[in-house]
Amino acid sequence: QKEVEQDPGPLSVPEGAIVSLNCTYSNSAFQYFMWYRQYSRKGPELLMYTYSSGNKEDGRFTAQVDKSSKYISLFIRDSQPSDSATYLCAMSAGTDSWGKLQFGAGTQVVVTP
Amino acid sequence: GAVVSQHPSWVICKSGTSVKIECRSLDFQATTMFWYRQFPKQSLMLMATSNEGSKATYEQGVEKDKFLINHASLTLSTLTVTSAHPEDSSFYICSASGPANTIYFGEGSWLTVV
Repeated sequence: QKEVEQDPGPLSVPEGAIVSLNCTYSNSAFQYFMWYRQYSRKGPELLMYTYSSGNKEDGRFTAQVDKSSKYISLFIRDSQPSDSATYLCAMSAGTDSWGKLQFGAGTQVVVTP
Repeated sequence: GAVVSQHPSWVICKSGTSVKIECRSLDFQATTMFWYRQFPKQSLMLMATSNEGSKATYEQGVEKDKFLINHASLTLSTLTVTSAHPEDSSFYICSASGPANTIYFGEGSWLTVV
């Protein structure tokens, strides 16, 4: 079983809809949770970063972490065609292994005009 | 914001030769950098942790003699793929811990071994 599970999609939504992405994980040591966006043949771009459980909002993006369920989510409101990309969740256990990220498989998102 | 630069963006080399990829933190110092590999339609897999002034730490299953990592300064880490073979063809990405404990990735380097 992988440490981080993420549905690879593709997930197709109409422009303006809410995109809902999620990951589950098995390692209870994970404390830092990140979402990255990756366009084809490019490096990942950091979107959201959350420590421990809770919600975080930044513009059209909302990240949620539920450590009790080992479940994290990313919501994109008012989606645009430019949001079409692969979205990767990533996690880290803490200061001793900070920067050593475990990634999900990535979900391909397609926003249609 | 923090920027991590990789060079070259893409490279083609002949089987049996070696190729070097550079990773630079442009506006911050990074005592630790990380190297990942991503095969098509797969996620990023951590290869090794690059520590400034000391030996790299490799993940299980990664050949340290094949993937040489040097972290000569606080802003530069290099990955050398030695005696490259077609199965080494992949997307190699570095990352560095930047300000506010965030992780920034480089743009990646596409390696094709022919």
